[in-house]
Amino acid sequence: DAGVIQSPRHEVTEMGQEVTLRCKPISGHNSLFWYRQTMMRGLELLIYFNNNVPIDDSGMPEDRFSAKMPNASFSTLKIQPSEPRDSAVYFCASWTGNSGANVLTFGAGSRLTVL
Amino acid sequence: DQQVKQNSPSLSVQEGRISILNCDYTNSMFDYFLWYKKYPAEGPTFLISISSIKDKNEDGRFTVFLNKSAKHLSLHIVPSQPGDSAVYFCAAAYGNKLVFGAGTILRVKS
Repeated sequence: DAGVIQSPRHEVTEMGQEVTLRCKPISGHNSLFWYRQTMMRGLELLIYFNNNVPIDDSGMPEDRFSAKMPNASFSTLKIQPSEPRDSAVYFCASWTGNSGANVLTFGAGSRLTVL
Repeated sequence: DQQVKQNSPSLSVQEGRISILNCDYTNSMFDYFLWYKKYPAEGPTFLISISSIKDKNEDGRFTVFLNKSAKHLSLHIVPSQPGDSAVYFCAAAYGNKLVFGAGTILRVKS
C-alpha cells in the first residue's frame, strides 16, 4: 500500500487566492482526518470524516475553510480566500475506525505558504 | 483550550542516556494514549500507545507510563540514539477523536 497520499507537497500562493489541498486515504480506512501543524499550536484537528460523512468540523478555523469527501478514496481541503496566517503544514490521516486502535496513518503533508 | 499539553518545547540528551518526554491531559474522557514521532518533511508516525486500563507499556527501547490520577503520561527512551532526534507528539483519544499536544523536539547528541 502506498500509504496516505497528499498533494501538492508544497504550495506558495498570494493572499486572496484559492487553495485546494488533496488527500487519498489508505484503501479500506473508514475515517479521514485533516490536521494543521503550526509552531505555536502543534497538531490541530480541523475536521474528520467517518464513512465519507463529516463528523466533527469544530476545528475548522473559519468559513474560509471547507472540506469535502465525495468518495472513500478522495478528500479536499479548500481555503478561499487564503491569508498569510493560514501558512502551515496541513496533514491528512486515515485509520480503520475500529475502536481501541486509534492509530492514524499520516500523509507526508502539504506545506502552504501564503504571501 | 488545550486538552493535551507538552510543556517542554525541546529536550537535549546525550547519546546512551535516558530521554524522558512528558505530557499532561485535562479531559478524563480520554481512554487511549499514543506517542507519535515526526522527522522533518515527513508525516508523524506511530511509535507506541497505552490503554487507560494499563499503567505501563514497553516496546524495545521505548516505554510509556500512564498516571491516570495525575492525568500524566511520559515516554522513556533508553538508551537514546542520534536517530531518535525528532519531534515527539503526545496524543489522547476517545471515540474517533484524537487530540495532539504541541510536540517536543528531542535532540540526541553523539
